[in-house]
Amino acid sequence: EVQLVESGGGLVKPGGSLRLSCAASGFTFSNYNMNWVRQAPGKGLEWVSYISSSSTYIYYADSVKGRFTISRDNAKNSLYLQMNSLRAEDTAVYYCARALYGSGTSCYDYWGQGTLVTVSS
Amino acid sequence: QSVLTQPPSVSAAPGQKVTISCSGSSSNIGNNYVSWYQQLPGTAPKLLIYDNNKRPSGIPDRFSGSKSGTSATLGITGLQTGDEADYYCGTWDSSLSLWVFGGGAKLTVL
Repeated sequence: EVQLVESGGGLVKPGGSLRLSCAASGFTFSNYNMNWVRQAPGKGLEWVSYISSSSTYIYYADSVKGRFTISRDNAKNSLYLQMNSLRAEDTAVYYCARALYGSGTSCYDYWGQGTLVTVSS
Repeated sequence: QSVLTQPPSVSAAPGQKVTISCSGSSSNIGNNYVSWYQQLPGTAPKLLIYDNNKRPSGIPDRFSGSKSGTSATLGITGLQTGDEADYYCGTWDSSLSLWVFGGGAKLTVL
C-alpha cells in the first residue's frame, strides 16, 4: 500500500525557518517524481515545488522561489521541504504528492495526510 | 483568483446526477490533460479522474470526466451523502510552466 506521511509542521514566527519531511513507503520511491502542494486555511490547492526522481529537475512556484528548497534522499525514501524567511501567507497545510507519470506535467496519484504550518508572531 | 474557473458550489438530491465545470484556456486545459480530485472534509485530496476521463483503480464508474476545447467537466451519478466534498480540477499550464488548480467546487447532496 502506498503511504506518504508528512511531518515537521508547527508554529513559527515570521522570518523563521522550518523543515518538512515526507516519508514514503509501499512503492519504489526512487522511480517517482514528487511534489509539495499546500492549502491555506479555507482556501484551494496551490502547487509549491517539484523534484524529479533523481533530483535532476527542480521547480518552484514564484511565491516561494528563493525561500524554499526541495530535496530528497532516495536511500531513506524521504522527501523534504526546507522553508526559510517564512511569511504569514505561507500558513497552510502542506501535502507531499506523488506524480503519476514521469514528467513535470503529471498529475498526482497519491497524497499524504498533510502537515500544518502556521506562521504567526 | 485561480487560473482555472470552477463554480464555488453545486448541489443535487441523493440519487441524482451533478456536473462540475472547469474552465481554462488554450495554455492549460486546451492543450494538456485534466485531472480531478475529491477532498472530503478534513482529509487530503484524492485522485478521481486523470488524463481527462480515466479512473484510477478503485474509483467507481459513477464518476466520469470529459473535456471539450478549453473546458472540462466532472460528472457524478447516483449521488450519495458520502459524495459531499470539495472537488478540484487541475492541469499543467504551458505558459506559466507550472501546475494549476481550480478554486474548488463544494458539492452538497441535499
